[in-house]
Amino acid sequence: DAGVIQSPRHEVTEMGQEVTLRCKPISGHNSLFWYRQTMMRGLELLIYFNNNVPIDDSGMPEDRFSAKMPNASFSTLKIQPSEPRDSAVYFCASSPSGGINSPLHFGNGTRLTVT
Amino acid sequence: AQSVTQLGSHVSVSEGALVLLRCNYSSSVPPYLFWYVQYPNQGLQLLLKYTSAATLVKGINGFEAEFKKSETSFHLTKPSAHMSDAAEYFCAVRGFDSGSRLTFGEGTQLTVNP
Repeated sequence: DAGVIQSPRHEVTEMGQEVTLRCKPISGHNSLFWYRQTMMRGLELLIYFNNNVPIDDSGMPEDRFSAKMPNASFSTLKIQPSEPRDSAVYFCASSPSGGINSPLHFGNGTRLTVT
Repeated sequence: AQSVTQLGSHVSVSEGALVLLRCNYSSSVPPYLFWYVQYPNQGLQLLLKYTSAATLVKGINGFEAEFKKSETSFHLTKPSAHMSDAAEYFCAVRGFDSGSRLTFGEGTQLTVNP
C-alpha cells in the first residue's frame, strides 16, 4: 500500500499564475478530502468527495479555487489566479468509506509558496 | 455542529516523564473522536480513535486516551516520553450531524527535553 500520494511536494509560483495540486488516494477508498494548513488557521477542510462526487465544498475560500475528481484514483485542486495569501500546505486524505468512524489517511502534503 | 478545543498550544516534558495532552469536545450527538500526530514535513498519522466500544482507547507508540462524557474530554497520555515523540498532535471530532466532516483542534506542539 503506497498510501495517499500527492504531487508536487513543493510548489513556488508567482502571484497570478495557475497552480494545480494532484492527489492519488489509496486504492479502494471512496472518500477523498482536501485540507489546507496554515499557522493562522490550522487545518481547514476545503472540500470532500464521496464516490467521486463533491459532497461539501463550503470550505473552498473563493471562486479562484476549484477541485475535481474525474475518477476514483485521481483528484486535483486548482487555484487560478494564485495569490500570496494562498501560501500554505495542502493535504489530501482518503478514507475507506463515508462512515464517520473511518479514519482519514493523509498524504505528505504540497507546500505552496506564492510570491 | 461539533468542535474540539486543545488546551495548550505547546507542551514541554522531560524524557521519561508523563505526557498529557488535553482535548475537550463539543457535540450535540455522540461523537467519534480521533488523535492524530504530525511529524515535520509529513502528513497526519492516526494515533487512535474512540468509537464508543470502550472508553479507554489504546493507540500506537504507547499512547492512550480516555473518553469521559461527564467532562466532555478525550485527553491523550503516555506514561514515559521518548525523544521520538516530539511532534504536533491534533485532536479531531466527527459526529452524525456533520456527515463525513472531520473537525480538527488547533494542535499541540510537544517538545521532549533530554
